Amino acid sequence: AQSVTQLDSQVPVFEEAPVELRCNYSSSVSVYLFWYVQYPNQGLQLLLKYLSGSTLVESINGFEAEFNKSQTSFHLRKPSVHISDTAEYFCAVSDNNAGNMLTFGGGTRLMVKP
Amino acid sequence: KAGVTQTPRYLIKTRGQQVTLSCSPISGHRSVSWYQQTPGQGLQFLFEYFSETQRNKGNFPGRFSGRQFSNSRSEMNVSTLELGDSALYLCASSLVSGLPSSGNTIYFGEGSWLTVV
Repeated sequence: AQSVTQLDSQVPVFEEAPVELRCNYSSSVSVYLFWYVQYPNQGLQLLLKYLSGSTLVESINGFEAEFNKSQTSFHLRKPSVHISDTAEYFCAVSDNNAGNMLTFGGGTRLMVKP
Repeated sequence: KAGVTQTPRYLIKTRGQQVTLSCSPISGHRSVSWYQQTPGQGLQFLFEYFSETQRNKGNFPGRFSGRQFSNSRSEMNVSTLELGDSALYLCASSLVSGLPSSGNTIYFGEGSWLTVV
């Protein structure tokens, strides 16, 4: 069975500061990893995903995540955050046997302060 | 291109009643999945339908059921509602089931907020 742990439930940070949201997963098979973002009163939007190949994946709005197989981690980073990045971020895992079933972590609320 | 559309967006039901939620996937998408989101349990997978067949089911009681129609639209039903069923129910769609390749991104709707009183 798969599981995802997001170590921080809340991360407060000042605008223009760097941030890292941590995600660790547990799985016995090869995995696919995702980060989704949820703004207040909205659904989930895909931020970035790791399927194969380069372990560093980037999104169009400056976020990046690095797949580390030995540490079973997929941490999300941004070098300089904006107020508009305030949202809840979810890490998720899937594999070839799961169909479209995603297993989510508990989420991390990123609070960017001016 | 329209996104995943869920109706109704908000509803209030009484314990013991039943509820039906509807989801229209992105045009051309044949896989529809449902998730329940609550503050206590987080995001949990309910079930996935592909080509009108249930492909996967999460760990929920039989009161939770779903179906998919030939046009890929999906409904989920919860019978004998309990207070703990209060949640945001999210629908997601993708082109096909499985093989999360670059072309098979899973897109989520904005959800249906269910309050059970």
